[in-house]
Amino acid sequence: EAGVTQFPSHSVIEKGQTVTLRCDPISGHDNLYWYRRVMGKEIKFLLHFVKESKQDESGMPNNRFLAERTGGTYSTLKVQPAELEDSGVYFCASSQDWAGALRHEQYFGPGTRLTVT
Amino acid sequence: AQSVTQLGSHVSVSEGALVLLRCNYSSSVPPYLFWYVQYPNQGLQLLLKYTSAATLVKGINGFEAEFKKSETSFHLTKPSAHMSDAAEYFCAVSVPGGGADGLTFGKGTHLIIQP
Repeated sequence: EAGVTQFPSHSVIEKGQTVTLRCDPISGHDNLYWYRRVMGKEIKFLLHFVKESKQDESGMPNNRFLAERTGGTYSTLKVQPAELEDSGVYFCASSQDWAGALRHEQYFGPGTRLTVT
Repeated sequence: AQSVTQLGSHVSVSEGALVLLRCNYSSSVPPYLFWYVQYPNQGLQLLLKYTSAATLVKGINGFEAEFKKSETSFHLTKPSAHMSDAAEYFCAVSVPGGGADGLTFGKGTHLIIQP
């Protein structure tokens, strides 16, 4: 069974540019999460999809961040326009089971390291 | 809101020695607790989990953790450290039935293994 995959693994962009990160969850996992780790800080929750619906986006920093999950499969996270403070590692995770303990057992991808210069 | 505190950003042990990584949590309701490990240049891997069953939880690679409600702790241990255990370890908490299903992480602990 393939794990969570993320693309690209690294991205270096200039301030003001746009970047789109992609996450492919484990097949059959309805729950998809985005997290971010800024250097020196803890991993922070950004948002949670259940299938194609946003269940919780309380962690999104501001309206420069837009997440989508069309069709309930892969997800994209777009940052437009990027700022210096957006640099960090963006993780995607997925879990199965809409209700119950298994929903909380999240499997993470390798992350995308974003550097904004 | 829940929170996690990991004591020590870096822990150094000798190969073969006991590994103890500390995690304390704060939660208004009984939580689910997790330990994740991140090896260099890799993603986070689930090491073990506590979801209100047995309080002593065994995970992969010889690690285990004990949930102690009275101490609000979920410390990670391994009897004998191996060089391959060098990595960053994260403790995380989630709240069953809570509105936000995202995990709340501690700041992580780098485990250094001395030969």
